Amino acid sequence: EAGVVQSPRYKIIEKKQPVAFWCNPISGHNTLYWYLQNLGQGPELLIRYENEEAVDDSQLPKDRFSAERLKGVDSTLKIQPAELGDSAVYLCASSSRTSGRIDTQYFGPGTRLTVL
Amino acid sequence: AQTVTQSQPEMSVQEAETVTLSCTYDTSESDYYLFWYKQPPSRQMILVIRQEAYKQQNATENRFSVNFQKAAKSFSLKISDSQLGDAAMYFCAYRASGGSNYKLTFGKGTLLTVNP
Repeated sequence: EAGVVQSPRYKIIEKKQPVAFWCNPISGHNTLYWYLQNLGQGPELLIRYENEEAVDDSQLPKDRFSAERLKGVDSTLKIQPAELGDSAVYLCASSSRTSGRIDTQYFGPGTRLTVL
Repeated sequence: AQTVTQSQPEMSVQEAETVTLSCTYDTSESDYYLFWYKQPPSRQMILVIRQEAYKQQNATENRFSVNFQKAAKSFSLKISDSQLGDAAMYFCAYRASGGSNYKLTFGKGTLLTVNP
């Protein structure tokens, strides 16, 4: 079974430029998460989708960040315009509660963003 | 708010020896889940082991086991017969059960070095 796929793996942009990250979750996983991981820190949730609905976006800086999950499968996270402080790793994860009580989150390899 | 504390920024162990990584958490919930994730330099977060708070028996997965002390709110990870491939950043994570709260709260991580 293929894991969570993310692209690109690395992105370098100038500040004030737009940038987009793409995520393809594990097949059949209806829940998708975007996390932000700063250097030396644990991941922090930005947004969670149940199918195509964003059910928790309280931590997403909505002035410059946006996300979408059309058709409830792939998702795109966008930053416009990017700031120096946005340099970090952006992780995507997916899960599915098919049985049992725990829906374990499976992570992709992340996109390392560098804003110059 | 739930918090997760990993008090050991770095740990080292000799190959084939045993090492224990510490994690404490703060919550007012009685039912929740705890996880240990491993993040190698390649950045892909991999689930190592998980524990349901209502289960008194400590979880084990091959060379990995936990010491779950609910009253003390402690959740340590023991790695037996350490291998070079165990070298990574290890994150402890908490998730409340039930309701709509699927958010994983991570600690800051412990960097494990395995010496040959």
